[in-house]
Amino acid sequence: EAGVTQSPRYAVLQEGQAVSFWCDPISGHDTLYWYQQPRDQGPQLLVYFRDEAVIDNSQLPSDRFSAVRPKGTNSTLKIQSAKQGDTATYLCASSRLGGPYEQYFGPGTRLTVL
Amino acid sequence: GEQVEQLPSSLIVQEGASVLINCSYTDSASVYFPWYKQEPGKRLQFIIDIRSNMERKQTQRLTLLFDKKTKHLSLHITATQPGDSAIYFCSARDMGYKLTFGTGTSLLVDP
Repeated sequence: EAGVTQSPRYAVLQEGQAVSFWCDPISGHDTLYWYQQPRDQGPQLLVYFRDEAVIDNSQLPSDRFSAVRPKGTNSTLKIQSAKQGDTATYLCASSRLGGPYEQYFGPGTRLTVL
Repeated sequence: GEQVEQLPSSLIVQEGASVLINCSYTDSASVYFPWYKQEPGKRLQFIIDIRSNMERKQTQRLTLLFDKKTKHLSLHITATQPGDSAIYFCSARDMGYKLTFGTGTSLLVDP
């Protein structure tokens, strides 16, 4: 089966600019996750969806970050007015509620905010 | 919220040696513990997992031990190869499917 795909692979922005990341999960996976992975740290969950519904977005900086999954398949994560502290790799993962339970990760989008 | 710690933060071993990576978590509500490997420039890859009702799981050269009382896990890798060089992450998942990752252990296997 095809893996999780993400685009773009890299993005470089000036502070204050906006950027969107796109994720296509594995076909049939109902749960989709977005993580932020700063350099030399583990991934940190931002938000996750089951089908089109947001299950947990408590770690999403809601004033500048937003995420949608309108049809329960692809998802977009958007950062409005990026800050230097947003510099990180943004990872998308997907899994199936009924198992197997492991999450499958995409290659990530490496964001640099200057 | 859940916190996951790993030790050591880095390891350098000779090919063929065994390594032990320790992981501790704080939330007794965590029920599932997958481990991932991240090679340079590659995506996170699932390698082994264990549920809170188990004590041990083994697959090929990996053995994962789990102690629910002490909230501690340890991953044992035997007969290491240069291809095992990567960052290894322990993680803990609650009943709501929220996954918290550890701080990572960087392993370098010298040929």
